[in-house]
Amino acid sequence: DQQVKQNSPSLSVQEGRISILNCDYTNSMFDYFLWYKKYPAEGPTFLISISSIKDKNEDGRFTVFLNKSAKHLSLHIVPSQPGDSAVYFCAASSGGSNYKLTFGKGTLLTVNP
Amino acid sequence: NAGVTQTPKFQVLKTGQSMTLQCAQDMNHEYMSWYRQDPGMGLRLIHYSVGAGITDQGEVPNGYNVSRSTTEDFPLRLLSAAPSQTSVYFCASRPGQWKQPQHFGDGTRLSIL
Repeated sequence: DQQVKQNSPSLSVQEGRISILNCDYTNSMFDYFLWYKKYPAEGPTFLISISSIKDKNEDGRFTVFLNKSAKHLSLHIVPSQPGDSAVYFCAASSGGSNYKLTFGKGTLLTVNP
Repeated sequence: NAGVTQTPKFQVLKTGQSMTLQCAQDMNHEYMSWYRQDPGMGLRLIHYSVGAGITDQGEVPNGYNVSRSTTEDFPLRLLSAAPSQTSVYFCASRPGQWKQPQHFGDGTRLSIL
């Protein structure tokens, strides 16, 4: 049973526009959520995180929104740049320990010039 | 800044062979972990360690062994390689404090023939 779901395998947007990547989870014990970006032949790079006590966290062009009642989070990238083209993974953990990350399958974002 | 270093980057094994994937971090992080990523899948946790001398199983531990004799190193051993273990392996580390993101190495691509 997949506890973290990224239902869109791919997303294509124009440079300068907003990219919205979505993630749903089923485990109500998850209390810490992260987004990672991954380029080919490299390891995942931490992008932004959010604790369950918040509903929004911003870092420059990146904003993560958390809707606990819907068990849904989203990553907004504004404005999108060609260098943002990568696979984005949503991950979650419980208990505050962040020892065990559960990952979604990833969404391939392509930003077209 | 080396961060998390994984060696080798690529390896081809024959079924039944054993080998050790190396992982070293120079950030004095308490927590280290191993994940595997298969095509179309998110990363899945194999084993993790919360400090020197302490290890525990993740989601997919069978066929793998770990030890943590120092803070810096966390090797992953394949006891008897099987084709199902063909994957990309990522090592990660993070500080011991609550809700800190994990930092990943660039991975080892392993093929079992």
